[in-house]
Amino acid sequence: QSALTQPASVSGSPGQSITIFCTGTSSDVGGYNYVSWYQQHPGKAPKLMICDVTKRPSGVSNRFSGSKSGNTASLTISGLQAEDEADYYCSSYTSSSTVIFGGGTKLTVL
Amino acid sequence: EVQLVESGGGLVQPGRSLRLSCTASGFTFGDYAMTWVRQAPGMGLEWVGLIRSKAYGATTEYAASVKGRFTISRDDSKSIAYLQMNGLKTEDTAVYYCTRIDGYNSYDYWGQGTLVTVSS
Repeated sequence: QSALTQPASVSGSPGQSITIFCTGTSSDVGGYNYVSWYQQHPGKAPKLMICDVTKRPSGVSNRFSGSKSGNTASLTISGLQAEDEADYYCSSYTSSSTVIFGGGTKLTVL
Repeated sequence: EVQLVESGGGLVQPGRSLRLSCTASGFTFGDYAMTWVRQAPGMGLEWVGLIRSKAYGATTEYAASVKGRFTISRDDSKSIAYLQMNGLKTEDTAVYYCTRIDGYNSYDYWGQGTLVTVSS
């Protein structure tokens, strides 16, 4: 099974909003509301930012939001801050009872 | 405070075996499914596999890339999850993370990772 498709990189200026898209198939993203997003800073373990497509774990800024339409999920970060610069990964539960990750997106805050 | 600590990584020759451990604390380990995720140097995250809680039969699932070579197990009395890796290949070189699963696909806590290097 191929990885979910994410753009390799996105960028934005402080205060702006950006959206990262994650495209899968009807066997993963489109078939289940079990999409998660993770933030990873260099040399650190990933951190859960969004789960179950739209839910924000306790402690995660409300500047982060998630949504899904068909086979594509998205992560929106509003009011960009320098500390948001990191790699972002989507993941989805699949019809094989496994999990698949996206290839990752490097966010640069200009 | 929830903590996950991986151990057992190191340098191993191709074809050999290695067992990683994930020691958990700060929560009722037996109530949760656990998973392993790896990250090759400079690359993205790759899901390795999971083990469900005993309430769900402690059943396992694996990525196609490791199925038949890797085995995940758990010892709830010690709050430890294991990843037994046999027939290691150079492409298994990665940092291996252990994570707790909340629900179907919410990896809410991660360990610091342990590096496995497969090389002759």
